[in-house]
Amino acid sequence: DTGVSQDPRHKITKRGQNVTFRCDPISEHNRLYWYRQTLGQGPEFLTYFQNEAQLEKSRLLSDRFSAERPKGSFSTLEIQRTEQGDSAMYLCASNRDRAEAFFGQGTRLTVV
Amino acid sequence: AQSVAQPEDQVNVAEGNPLTVKCTYSVSGNPYLFWYVQYPNRGLQFLLKYITGDNLVKGSYGFEAEFNKSQTSFHLKKPSALVSDSALYFCAVRDEGVGRRALTFGSGTRLQVQP
Repeated sequence: DTGVSQDPRHKITKRGQNVTFRCDPISEHNRLYWYRQTLGQGPEFLTYFQNEAQLEKSRLLSDRFSAERPKGSFSTLEIQRTEQGDSAMYLCASNRDRAEAFFGQGTRLTVV
Repeated sequence: AQSVAQPEDQVNVAEGNPLTVKCTYSVSGNPYLFWYVQYPNRGLQFLLKYITGDNLVKGSYGFEAEFNKSQTSFHLKKPSALVSDSALYFCAVRDEGVGRRALTFGSGTRLQVQP
């Protein structure tokens, strides 16, 4: 499968714990995005990378959130000191230049 | 700022009938417009896009959309609905005029096609 891959697919964590998600984009795509989707809503933009550079961050991305894309390949999204409000589907997408973005299947986070 | 509105939470249509899912947008520059579909427990799948050129855009699975600049709309259409089209549909916009790279999505419209 050469699509966008996300791991894990599901994560249940206790409030206050740290979690990290991984995204492997389509190999030739230089742009990578993280979005968050809550039930009944459309995806909301979190952050964007072009190659290894993080070029844009949403105001939704609090200090507890950090994202990296070392070497411009895979990306990780870490949430520190998780809160119940962080429960959501975290989606990763990638594209090349102005083409349409392709999405992974997402990581569903449940904070208990 | 860029924004998208999908005024209908749900659209119900009988199989074989034409369907329309509405979308309006707001940008300060030039819009790049997209439709995505989401099936349960799945990521978003790309359907079609408008970048420039013909206002009528054809996409996957027989879907098409019409870009109307004066009405700032990008409605999704299909001449004959299938039960398998039942899913959640999202309209999205990117404001290329101001160099935005991220998409802004609407809140989604659930399409229910009855047999």
